[in-house]
Amino acid sequence: DGGITQSPKYLFRKEGQNVTLSCEQNLNHDAMYWYRQDPGQGLRLIYYSQIVNDFQKGDIAEGYSVSREKKESFPLTVTSAQKNPTAFYLCASSMGQNWSPLHFGNGTRLTVT
Amino acid sequence: GNSVTQMEGPVTLSEEAFLTINCTYTATGYPSLFWYVQYPGEGLQLLLKATKADDKGSNKGFEATYRKETTSFHLEKGSVQVSDSAVYFCALSGDYGGATNKLIFGTGTLLAVQP
Repeated sequence: DGGITQSPKYLFRKEGQNVTLSCEQNLNHDAMYWYRQDPGQGLRLIYYSQIVNDFQKGDIAEGYSVSREKKESFPLTVTSAQKNPTAFYLCASSMGQNWSPLHFGNGTRLTVT
Repeated sequence: GNSVTQMEGPVTLSEEAFLTINCTYTATGYPSLFWYVQYPGEGLQLLLKATKADDKGSNKGFEATYRKETTSFHLEKGSVQVSDSAVYFCALSGDYGGATNKLIFGTGTLLAVQP
């Protein structure tokens, strides 16, 4: 079955460490996205990518970095510069038109202490 | 810019009750509108969508009508079940005409259905 796989489901890190969250899709979608979810704040867009080797900042990109070397993969690195990294991170993909729905992975819950 | 406002929760209902979750939006142009559902510990799943005014999206007994005159996209279900307990997100496309669909989400409404 086609879908989006995020790993790991839970991730724990010490403050000051960089950490990379994995996102892989086999839907053959061109566009991929990273959202952050915090209680009571809905979802906020971190980065998105329309095609391979291209990506743009979303609304809250500071302290994060991404790469898009393959169509299937869009890893997110949470750097030590991110002031409040503890959150639930959701990866999504879409066919790329503005009417096409997003397909989400099951998320990674990152806890930084 | 584009924005979405949905009613705060939690919404607590008894099984078989009627459900309405209000969603209103602010947008220029003609965005597409979506409802997503999130079960505990999981990602979001598309519930239904509407791409133009007066369209009605429907799925699994849920319905929502794209009302341009009232800028609303309220979610309704005639008879809820315990299995409908989840968080519901209203969203609109924020970059129409582009090559991506950068959705703008509401803050989510928690629905709790009691047997």
